[in-house]
Amino acid sequence: KAGVTQTPRYLIKTRGQQVTLSCSPISGHRSVSWYQQTPGQGLQFLFEYFSETQRNKGNFPGRFSGRQFSNSRSEMNVSTLELGDSALYLCASSPPSGGGGETQYFGPGTRLLVL
Amino acid sequence: GESVGLHLPTLSVQEGDNSIINCAYSNSASDYFIWYKQESGKGPQFIIDIRSNMDKRQGQRVTVLLNKTVKHLSLQIAATQPGDSAVYFCAENAGGGNKLTFGTGTQLKVEL
Repeated sequence: KAGVTQTPRYLIKTRGQQVTLSCSPISGHRSVSWYQQTPGQGLQFLFEYFSETQRNKGNFPGRFSGRQFSNSRSEMNVSTLELGDSALYLCASSPPSGGGGETQYFGPGTRLLVL
Repeated sequence: GESVGLHLPTLSVQEGDNSIINCAYSNSASDYFIWYKQESGKGPQFIIDIRSNMDKRQGQRVTVLLNKTVKHLSLQIAATQPGDSAVYFCAENAGGGNKLTFGTGTQLKVEL
């Protein structure tokens, strides 16, 4: 079974721009979560989508948003980029039991650099 | 100015020795715990998990111990190999979905 895939793998943007990152979960998985990893803050939860609905949200400003499609693929968007948004953005998917508390499998991440 | 990163504890072990990585978790309501391994340039890789109704779980060369009384989790790696060199994270889930709270991580270095 193919793992979680994320595109693009690397991205360079300038302040004020917006960016969209894509995640394809493991086949059959319905929950997709997004995390931001930085040297200063570590791994932080952004949001989780299950069956096209946001189920959980972390403590990030409204500039960070996401969505999930009917095929469980997910995108996250960051608007009005700031230098501090430079990070590794990780996507994880979970098996479809639906109740939460399932094992999350991570993709390789998208490395975003904001100049 | 210069950014300050999280201080990542480092554990150095000799090849073939056993490694023990510790983690203190924060939420007494957490009922599911996972250990991940992250190598440079890669996403976290699942190692082993444990639910709060257990205090020990074993996998291949790895054992996770959970002490809910003191909110402590540990990962034991038997016969540590050079390929085990990585950053290890513990993560907790307090229920209501798949929101994980991660620890700061421990850098494991295996010396030949």
